[in-house]
Amino acid sequence: DQQVKQNSPSLSVQEGRISILNCDYTNSMFDYFLWYKKYPAEGPTFLISISSIKDKNEDGRFTVFLNKSAKHLSLHIVPSQPGDSAVYFCAASSGTYKYIFGTGTRLKVLA
Amino acid sequence: GAGVSQSPRYKVAKRGQDVALRCDPISGHVSLFWYQQALGQGPEFLTYFQNEAQLDKSGLPSDRFFAERPEGSVSTLKIQRTQQEDSAVYLCASSLESGESSYNSPLHFGNGTRLTVT
Repeated sequence: DQQVKQNSPSLSVQEGRISILNCDYTNSMFDYFLWYKKYPAEGPTFLISISSIKDKNEDGRFTVFLNKSAKHLSLHIVPSQPGDSAVYFCAASSGTYKYIFGTGTRLKVLA
Repeated sequence: GAGVSQSPRYKVAKRGQDVALRCDPISGHVSLFWYQQALGQGPEFLTYFQNEAQLDKSGLPSDRFFAERPEGSVSTLKIQRTQQEDSAVYLCASSLESGESSYNSPLHFGNGTRLTVT
């Protein structure tokens, strides 16, 4: 049973526009969420995180929104750049070291 | 070094062979993790070390998998009698903080070892 789901395997966005990547989770005990970015043949790189006491966290072009009642989080990238093309994973934990990852969304930003 | 280093980058093993995958974490990082990433999937937790102590090995798929970190720095993941279903990318990650103190200390991943069992 997948506790963290990324239902869109891929997404294409025009350069300069907003990219919105979505993630749903089923475990209400999750209280910390992260987004990782992965380029081919490299390991995932930490992007941004949010704890369950917040509903928004912003870092430059990246904003993560958390909707606890809907068990949904999203990553907004504005404006999108070609270098943002990568696979994005969301991950969640319930106050422990053990992160549960989604299956990833491949973002392609078109120049 | 500047980041988590894993070797080898690629490993091809015949079914039944033993393999050893190495991870050099970021210097001073207390926590070390091994994850397995199958094709088209997200990373899945295998095991966790706090310094030299293996505190959680609940994700290891079978007793053919063994991990160690004897001096609290370099770690080795060993897979005995490899099977085709072991084919995956094995990711090592380290973190400065330990256990539950990881809110401000996200995982830093290496580039992984791609294991192919033929």
